[in-house]
Amino acid sequence: SAVISQKPSRDICQRGTSLTIQCQVDSQVTMMFWYRQQPGQSLTLIATANQGSEATYESGFVIDKFPISRPNLTFSTLTVSNLSPEDSSIYLCSVEAGSYEQFFGPGTRLTVL
Amino acid sequence: GESVGLHLPTLSVQEGDNSIINCAYSNSASDYFIWYKQESGKGPQFIIDIRSNVGEKKDQRIAVTLNKTAKHFSLHITETQPEDSAVYFCAASWGGKSTFGDGTTLTVKP
Repeated sequence: SAVISQKPSRDICQRGTSLTIQCQVDSQVTMMFWYRQQPGQSLTLIATANQGSEATYESGFVIDKFPISRPNLTFSTLTVSNLSPEDSSIYLCSVEAGSYEQFFGPGTRLTVL
Repeated sequence: GESVGLHLPTLSVQEGDNSIINCAYSNSASDYFIWYKQESGKGPQFIIDIRSNVGEKKDQRIAVTLNKTAKHFSLHITETQPEDSAVYFCAASWGGKSTFGDGTTLTVKP
């Protein structure tokens, strides 16, 4: 298993600004994932962050809007840029441990005014 | 691509009853199936998984069954307790990538 922390836990941001979310894992992991979860809905994968290479983005998500850093095997950041109210959501990071099961952080609840 | 869906968005049961939550998937190549539990204000938590070459797996009050022919898998909770109240997500994996279904909200009435 892995213990994952995220910062901030929640934030309220103004339209047009950016928010950077940090994800810290208590052990070294190869793959880290960033998800978006609208209230009451399922998880949508934004991108996969691998250390030492560029993140791999899913259809509908682009690097300019969601730049990701992965400086080492225990840490990653996701920035949500040029915020609009449609970006209001919960953002979750996760890691894969062993088989395909994932361990998730507690999430960051973003509200854009 | 893969689509994964739950049959019921909500399920309400009496404390002590058994609960079953079903999940259908579309990609016959999916080889790993997982259930997650998400409590309010928290991230999803892995609860049980099953590989495509296994029909059933149990862990205390929790079990998962897989029907590859029908392409669906089910979460079984025995003697459901109030602490089991949460949103449950299924996920199907293939090629290292997981696709999540919509959640089922389980409410346990005392």
